[in-house]
Amino acid sequence: GEDVEQSLFLSVREGDSSVINCTYTDSSSTYLYWYKQEPGAGLQLLTYIFSNMDMKQDQRLTVLLNKKDKHLSLRIADTQTGDSAIYFCAEWVGGFKTIFGAGTRLFVKA
Amino acid sequence: DVKVTQSSRYLVKRTGEKVFLECVQDMDHENMFWYRQDPGLGLRLIYFSYDVKMKEKGDIPEGYSVSREKKERFSLILESASTNQTSMYLCASSDPRGQNEKLFFGSGTQLSVL
Repeated sequence: GEDVEQSLFLSVREGDSSVINCTYTDSSSTYLYWYKQEPGAGLQLLTYIFSNMDMKQDQRLTVLLNKKDKHLSLRIADTQTGDSAIYFCAEWVGGFKTIFGAGTRLFVKA
Repeated sequence: DVKVTQSSRYLVKRTGEKVFLECVQDMDHENMFWYRQDPGLGLRLIYFSYDVKMKEKGDIPEGYSVSREKKERFSLILESASTNQTSMYLCASSDPRGQNEKLFFGSGTQLSVL
C-alpha cells in the first residue's frame, strides 16, 4: 500500500548541515513535498520536486530525489536555531490523495 | 497573502458533546480538507470536499461528518465526542487548477475530550 517513512528525530549543531531522509512506496507519485511545521502552527510548504527531477536547490535548501530507490532527502545548509521544527515528507499520488510521513523533529543546538 | 483560518486554537470538550470545528479560506480554492495529526502517525485524512455541498470520505471518517455550504467554509463535526478523538485537527485547501496539489494549512485546533 501507499506509505511514506521518515525518522522521527534529528539533532544537529547550529551552523552544521541537516539531512532529513524519507522513503516512499508509491511509484506513481508525480510531486514530492517537504512541509515545515513550527511549534503551535500549521504546516507550511517548504519546497517540492517534480518526479522527473533529480535535484532542486533553493537557497539553503537542497532536495535530492532517487526515484529508483524511492528516496527523498532534504538538506538544510548552515542550520540555524530558527530551523527547529517538524519536517514532513509527502507525496501526491494523484486526485485528492497526498500521503504524509510521520514527521521528523529537528533539534538545533546552539 | 493566502490564508486558511481555523476558528479555535484550543478546545476542551466533554465526552458525548457535539463539537464543531470551523475553517475558512480566502483563496477561492475549490478543494478543502480536514486532517488529524497525532504524534508518530503524521497526518491522516478525515474528509475532503471538492465543491460546495460535495464531500468524500478520507482514510479515517468514522465518528466525523462535514459540511460545506459555502465555498470558503468547511466545517468538521464530531457528533458525540470521545476521548480517542483528542488530537490536533488541521484544515487545508488547494487549487485544483494548479500544476500540483500544494496544500495551504490553517494553524490547527488542538482538541481535548475529557
